[in-house]
Amino acid sequence: AQRVTQPEKLLSVFKGAPVELKCNYSYSGSPELFWYVQYSRQRLQLLLRHISRESIKGFTADLNKGETSFHLKKPFAQEEDSAMYYCAPTRQGNTPLVFGKGTRLSVIA
Amino acid sequence: DGGITQSPKYLFRKEGQNVTLSCEQNLNHDAMYWYRQDPGQGLRLIYYSQIVNDFQKGDIAEGYSVSREKKESFPLTVTSAQKNPTAFYLCASSLGAYLPYNEQFFGPGTRLTVL
Repeated sequence: AQRVTQPEKLLSVFKGAPVELKCNYSYSGSPELFWYVQYSRQRLQLLLRHISRESIKGFTADLNKGETSFHLKKPFAQEEDSAMYYCAPTRQGNTPLVFGKGTRLSVIA
Repeated sequence: DGGITQSPKYLFRKEGQNVTLSCEQNLNHDAMYWYRQDPGQGLRLIYYSQIVNDFQKGDIAEGYSVSREKKESFPLTVTSAQKNPTAFYLCASSLGAYLPYNEQFFGPGTRLTVL
């Protein structure tokens, strides 16, 4: 079955510490991968997509095809990074996105 | 926030009743989606529509129905057959369901509570 796994439900880090939110997928081939974020009382929104290789709000994500991972990283966490983060790869055949169960990031001052 | 609107924000329903959740978008997007968000479950796809008058079942379509008579509207009906309807429902849209690099834009959500 095609799956996406975010192993941590909750991740707590101190302000200024590095952050890594893990995401593993089970698709073969070359899926497109996205990270979405939901801040408190805001809509779910796109954070970044691997194809653009951009850094948004200091976050980056590298696709590792060998490990089938797309971990989200930031070198120095900020309090405003506290939110729910969802990894979302496309299925094979480019059908709609499949979302992971999400990781809640809590940055402690 | 514009683009996608969902109404109402909160909805209460008695057990055994059908209820319809509204989703409207003015982004001229072809594709629209309905997700259910439960704590610890992430987002699960209920139905999606690539184009007017066409829709496909997602992973958890049982107990739900949809229609897509207009490009800008994609209402979701939660029927009495849905065993656990209390949840937060999210609507989204995108340029196309099968386009690459296909960003989805989300509405604010409707929280449905069955009494």
